[in-house]
Amino acid sequence: ETGVTQTPRHLVMGMTNKKSLKCEQHLGHNAMYWYKQSAKKPLELMFVYNFKEQTENNSVPSRFSPECPNSSHLFLHLHTLQPEDSALYLCASSQVFGSYEQYFGPGTRLTVT
Amino acid sequence: AQTVTQSQPEMSVQEAETVTLSCTYDTSESDYYLFWYKQPPSRQMILVIRQEAYKQQNATENRFSVNFQKAAKSFSLKISDSQLGDAAMYFCAYRSARNNNDMRFGAGTRLTVKP
Repeated sequence: ETGVTQTPRHLVMGMTNKKSLKCEQHLGHNAMYWYKQSAKKPLELMFVYNFKEQTENNSVPSRFSPECPNSSHLFLHLHTLQPEDSALYLCASSQVFGSYEQYFGPGTRLTVT
Repeated sequence: AQTVTQSQPEMSVQEAETVTLSCTYDTSESDYYLFWYKQPPSRQMILVIRQEAYKQQNATENRFSVNFQKAAKSFSLKISDSQLGDAAMYFCAYRSARNNNDMRFGAGTRLTVKP
């Protein structure tokens, strides 16, 4: 379970704050993903990076800003969030974009107050 | 739009018994992939089993097997000889073979295993 790590594991922030979520994978993968997991709702794919290039932005509001400086690290910068953005944010990686299996991190539980 | 539906928010099974989790999906494509992921409490989501739509044979991984009915767009997961460690949220997922960005998950089924 240490292949994909995420920090922090829990985050409480006000609507005017700026914070960042970090994801790191130690698997030598080339694709990384951000998902949002809200209670009783399907997992939503937010962003996809393949070889550090963003390939998908599923109509995610601009208050979420991803960054992928290299294939091992992925960030999600947060600013002026809304209470409805409270959720579990999951990072995942795969060998290449389109690989069958994605490896997930433990997630960051975000609460926006 | 492709959607994935898990009609059972919660399921319960007696240890050592068999349980089947349901999943249906909607797609206009003929080639795609289907997955079952397991998310134990406070632990990371892991892949349980996958099925390629072009394969007629149902996938099997030890105690886990699927019943893939392509015409009915149904993809159920059968867990045999249930163990306490099987207790988790189970998510059915669909991914287009033509568009790797198109990855969709169901809302999940919470499985409880009774000793």
